[in-house]
Amino acid sequence: EAGVTQFPSHSVIEKGQTVTLRCDPISGHDNLYWYRRVMGKEIKFLLHFVKESKQDESGMPNNRFLAERTGGTYSTLKVQPAELEDSGVYFCASSQAAAANYGYTFGSGTRLTVV
Amino acid sequence: AQSVSQHNHHVILSEAASLELGCNYSYGGTVNLFWYVQYPGQHLQLLLKYFSGDPLVKGIKGFEAEFIKSKFSFNLRKPSVQWSDTAEYFCAVTPPEYGNKLVFGAGTILRVKS
Repeated sequence: EAGVTQFPSHSVIEKGQTVTLRCDPISGHDNLYWYRRVMGKEIKFLLHFVKESKQDESGMPNNRFLAERTGGTYSTLKVQPAELEDSGVYFCASSQAAAANYGYTFGSGTRLTVV
Repeated sequence: AQSVSQHNHHVILSEAASLELGCNYSYGGTVNLFWYVQYPGQHLQLLLKYFSGDPLVKGIKGFEAEFIKSKFSFNLRKPSVQWSDTAEYFCAVTPPEYGNKLVFGAGTILRVKS
């Protein structure tokens, strides 16, 4: 079974530019999550999709971040315009069901550096 | 503020030494508990999880964790570490008021010297 795929694995952009991160979940996983780890701190929740619908976006830091999941398959996370404090590792995870006991499968993350 | 605390940020051990990584949480109610590991250059992987039942949980690669409700703790243990256990370890919980969202600790970087 293919895992959760994220790309790019690394991205270096200048402040003010736009970056789009992509996540391909495991096929058949309706639930898709984005998490972020900034500056070696805790990994924090950003948002949760169920199919193409945003179930919970309480963790999105501000309106410079836009997540989409058209068609309920892959998801994109766009940062526009990027700021220095957006640097960090962005993780995507997917699961078959929303219940926590199903567990999540994480991708390898995208390391974003804003200079 | 409610949180998940991992007591050690960096741990260095020699091969064959025993490992215990501390994790405490401050949420009330019934929580689900997890330990994840991230090996260098790889994705986060689930080591073990606890939802209910026997508070001593066995995971992959010889790891185990014990849930002590009275102490709000879920410490990770391994009797004898190997060089290949070098990784970053994350404790996480799903507090009842947070739905299915994982709340992570800050992580512990383990380096095992060969």
